Amino acid sequence: AQSVAQPEDQVNVAEGNPLTVKCTYSVSGNPYLFWYVQYPNRGLQFLLKYITGDNLVKGSYGFEAEFNKSQTSFHLKKPSALVSDSALYFCAVRDISNDYKLSFGAGTTVTVRA
Amino acid sequence: DGGITQSPKYLFRKEGQNVTLSCEQNLNHDAMYWYRQDPGQGLRLIYYSQIVNDFQKGDIAEGYSVSREKKESFPLTVTSAQKNPTAFYLCASSTLAGGRYNEQFFGPGTRLTVL
Repeated sequence: AQSVAQPEDQVNVAEGNPLTVKCTYSVSGNPYLFWYVQYPNRGLQFLLKYITGDNLVKGSYGFEAEFNKSQTSFHLKKPSALVSDSALYFCAVRDISNDYKLSFGAGTTVTVRA
Repeated sequence: DGGITQSPKYLFRKEGQNVTLSCEQNLNHDAMYWYRQDPGQGLRLIYYSQIVNDFQKGDIAEGYSVSREKKESFPLTVTSAQKNPTAFYLCASSTLAGGRYNEQFFGPGTRLTVL
């Protein structure tokens, strides 16, 4: 069975500091990995995805994520956080052997203080 | 949220009532999905459909039903058999062209509350 874990319920950073949101995954085959962001009472917005190739993936709003196969991780990063980055972030994985199921982590609430 | 609309934004249900949540997309996507979101639990898949007139159960289909009569529409009915329906419901869609790694696009959600 495929799954993702987001070990931190909350991440707090000061504006201008680096932001990291952690995600680890478990799949039986090669993973397709995604990051989404959700603002209060809104739907999820796609940030970026890893399919294959370069382990560093660049996405929307200055976010990037690093795929690490040996550590089965896909951490989301932003070099300089903004107050407007405060939101709920979800990591998700799709198993290559299962063409519809996208498994989500429980989410990490990011708070960026001014 | 662009391209996928959900209505209503807020919905209140009395005990024993069936209610239907609307989801429409104009992205010409083949696949559509319904998720339930509860605090601290992430998103859980209720039903999905990859083609008109066909759909499959997800992880928590009990107490829910769907239909896919048109490519653009994928309504979800929350029946009285669903014992704890209070949640935030999200509809999503994705294209199947090009492979299995296409991202899903989400609607703005419907918040259902049981009175």
